[in-house]
Amino acid sequence: DAKTTQPTSMDCAEGRAANLPCNHSTISGNEYVYWYRQIHSQGPQYIIHGLKNNETNEMASLIITEDRKSSTLILPHATLRDTAVYYCIVRFNAGNMLTFGGGTRLMVKP
Amino acid sequence: GAGVSQSPRYKVAKRGQDVALRCDPISGHVSLFWYQQALGQGPEFLTYFQNEAQLDKSGLPSDRFFAERPEGSVSTLKIQRTQQEDSAVYLCASSFGATYGYTFGSGTRLTVV
Repeated sequence: DAKTTQPTSMDCAEGRAANLPCNHSTISGNEYVYWYRQIHSQGPQYIIHGLKNNETNEMASLIITEDRKSSTLILPHATLRDTAVYYCIVRFNAGNMLTFGGGTRLMVKP
Repeated sequence: GAGVSQSPRYKVAKRGQDVALRCDPISGHVSLFWYQQALGQGPEFLTYFQNEAQLDKSGLPSDRFFAERPEGSVSTLKIQRTQQEDSAVYLCASSFGATYGYTFGSGTRLTVV
């Protein structure tokens, strides 16, 4: 699976949009971009995934650049409960394991 | 149940003791994964089951680690002769299949003293 690069940490004001970037410049054509988050003392939670089109669900939006070498996870109205470590992962959809990197520690502040 | 259940939630073991960690996946989930997460790090893959078959155990760090899923549902991760470096959170995840998103349990925090 392709490696990803994310900032180590980010801050966001409560109620504002949180934009979390991820670089995956070696992604191949059939690899998907997945986002998970991990709130303290819990297991990782699936957020969203996509191949090349932008995706939106009740939790977040995923914007993937046209060349697919980077993506941005958007939490439109961050709340204090969104404070967590966010992991960007690329994998073949038919692959089995997820390979986690270090993630981005997002701190939402009042 | 509605989610992946892991027990115990916390386990303290004396060095050299054997431990067994249990995972109850979501009913009907074919795929089951074990991950190890050291403090401040991302989870690292240990092993993968499809039903009762262990298809990948490449992440198990030593032969002291053993996992089983005999009837294709509940899984047990066993660690023999625990060492201090085994201290970590052990996470279990399940899914309908390899192409679906995973649901993780809350993990078992193992502390070896």
